Amino acid sequence: EAQVTQNPRYLITVTGKKLTVTCSQNMNHEYMSWYRQDPGLGLRQIYYSMNVEVTDKGDVPEGYKVSRKEKRNFPLILESPSPNQTSLYFCASRPLGAFSYEQYFGPGTRLTVT
Amino acid sequence: QKEVEQNSGPLSVPEGAIASLNCTYSDRGSQSFFWYRQYSGKSPELIMSIYSNGDKEDGRFTAQLNKASQYVSLLIRDSQPSDSATYLCAVNRDGNQFYFGTGTSLTVIP
Repeated sequence: EAQVTQNPRYLITVTGKKLTVTCSQNMNHEYMSWYRQDPGLGLRQIYYSMNVEVTDKGDVPEGYKVSRKEKRNFPLILESPSPNQTSLYFCASRPLGAFSYEQYFGPGTRLTVT
Repeated sequence: QKEVEQNSGPLSVPEGAIASLNCTYSDRGSQSFFWYRQYSGKSPELIMSIYSNGDKEDGRFTAQLNKASQYVSLLIRDSQPSDSATYLCAVNRDGNQFYFGTGTSLTVIP
């Protein structure tokens, strides 16, 4: 089944404790992206990647890191989480190609930072 | 100014009616436009994409794009209770950065 998976689905952590949220897709998509969703602010793009070793900032990259060492994986790293990073996080992917900008989203990771 | 603006609603329509959802965007260079449906606690699900001016129909859904007015809309005909969800409008300029509206909550009343 074609899908985007995220782990963990739920995470409660404390301020300053480094964490990684994994994202994996089995559709051989070149493009992957991370979003956070907050009430009243909608979905905001954190980082995106056009392919292996190619990443770029989205709208709200502060406090986050990403890496793209393999085509299928795009982990999101919070090196020193803070309470304002409490949010619902989504990973998405899409194939690169002419007029193929439709993204497929993972199930989401609900992160709470206390 | 927000990149993408939507009325937050809630929008309530009776079952069988037409639901009309609207979205405006600020970047005139935007090239692709999307409507996603999101049930509470779930991930966004793509309903429609539209790339050129005019209407695009898919089943009960019609997306309308007017680039001159920087306006995108989604019509849902014969609304069903299962259409009750939040609808997100998204725009994209170059295939890389995507901007989403805050969503419009739709309730279809049986």
